Amino acid sequence: IAGITQAPTSQILAAGRRMTLRCTQDMRHNAMYWYRQDLGLGLRLIHYSNTAGTTGKGEVPDGYSVSRANTDDFPLTLASAVPSQTSVYFCASSQTSGGANEQFFGPGTRLTVL
Amino acid sequence: GQNIDQPTEMTATEGAIVQINCTYQTSGFNGLFWYQQHAGEAPTFLSYNVLDGLEEKGRFSSFLSRSKGYSYLLLKELQMKDSASYLCALMDSNYQLIWGAGTKLIIKP
Repeated sequence: IAGITQAPTSQILAAGRRMTLRCTQDMRHNAMYWYRQDLGLGLRLIHYSNTAGTTGKGEVPDGYSVSRANTDDFPLTLASAVPSQTSVYFCASSQTSGGANEQFFGPGTRLTVL
Repeated sequence: GQNIDQPTEMTATEGAIVQINCTYQTSGFNGLFWYQQHAGEAPTFLSYNVLDGLEEKGRFSSFLSRSKGYSYLLLKELQMKDSASYLCALMDSNYQLIWGAGTKLIIKP
């Protein structure tokens, strides 16, 4: 593995189903993030983690949960999917959470909720 | 609150120069980033400005004026591969990135 991987690449999901999007990084970065990207809108932060064992809410956290049991993994769970959660989801990581630390992005998961 | 504005779409000619503007309003500022995103791909880092002035990196330069809430990305010697969306992102007082909607740059031969 080099960088950040996400799984699945794409998914079609029935409304009401539970879904976990996986994200793994091998750069030993402390900070990780989940964004959603919708047409005509900027990336919006869902949840973040500044270090293993801690998480925080971003701009649009409702309907999503995360965990950060270790440095490498940061899964995003939709407890009961709704059509408005149809989006492209990007996981990202950075060495730390502030300053000039660029964020590195995974390839994204395209999720469709019907 | 925060607000970021950038043009939705721009067109330029191969070999030319293009300037993509970004204006912002914020109560807290910890730097401004530019990212490039090709269609269907992930964003990739281009530049970071925290002090006023111009940062040059090869064909790409980024400028910041904190007093005016203004930044631009300058792309020189445009190549077809520069066709992409360019995302302006503001780092707020909580060290989180607030993203503009992006500028889609179309390069014509």
